[in-house]
Amino acid sequence: DAKTTQPPSMDCAEGRAANLPCNHSTISGNEYVYWYRQIHSQGPQYIIHGLKNNETNEMASLIITEDRKSSTLILPHATLRDTAVYYCIVRLTSNTGKLIFGQGTTLQVKP
Amino acid sequence: NAGVTQTPKFQVLKTGQSMTLQCAQDMNHEYMSWYRQDPGMGLRLIHYSVGAGITDQGEVPNGYNVSRSTTEDFPLRLLSAAPSQTSVYFCASRGQGWGNTEAFFGQGTRLTVV
Repeated sequence: DAKTTQPPSMDCAEGRAANLPCNHSTISGNEYVYWYRQIHSQGPQYIIHGLKNNETNEMASLIITEDRKSSTLILPHATLRDTAVYYCIVRLTSNTGKLIFGQGTTLQVKP
Repeated sequence: NAGVTQTPKFQVLKTGQSMTLQCAQDMNHEYMSWYRQDPGMGLRLIHYSVGAGITDQGEVPNGYNVSRSTTEDFPLRLLSAAPSQTSVYFCASRGQGWGNTEAFFGQGTRLTVV
């Protein structure tokens, strides 16, 4: 599975959009980009995933560059409850379910 | 819908003791995994299973054993606990699907080895 690089921490004002970047320059064509978050030592929570196209769900949007070497997770209107560690993971479609976590980005949403 | 259930939530062990961390899921998921998370760190994969009777090692398997006798359960055994195994342990499960389904995590077991 491709390695990912994320900034260790970011701040965001409440109500503003939070844009979390992720570099995955060695991603291969059949690897998906996944985002999970972990709120205060709880179990990680799935947010969104994508392969090539941009994706949106009720929680967030995922923008993947055309060359697929980087992506951005967007929380459109961050709230204090979005304060968490956000993990970007790339995984093969045939992967046996295992996720390899990096250090993630600690997002602090401030009032 | 219980999802992924881990027991116990907290445990204190003495060095050299053995114990089993329990993980059960009620979603009929084929894939199950165990992770550990040390303070200020990301999750590291210990062992995983692709179905009943099949297990394999992850990134940090030493000191841990697993078995998968049923689809629902995936216990993690510490045969002789060491202080270095003090950590938070998470169990996860995922459906086989098309290879792109989300993983569900339990709430964790906080283990202290003294």
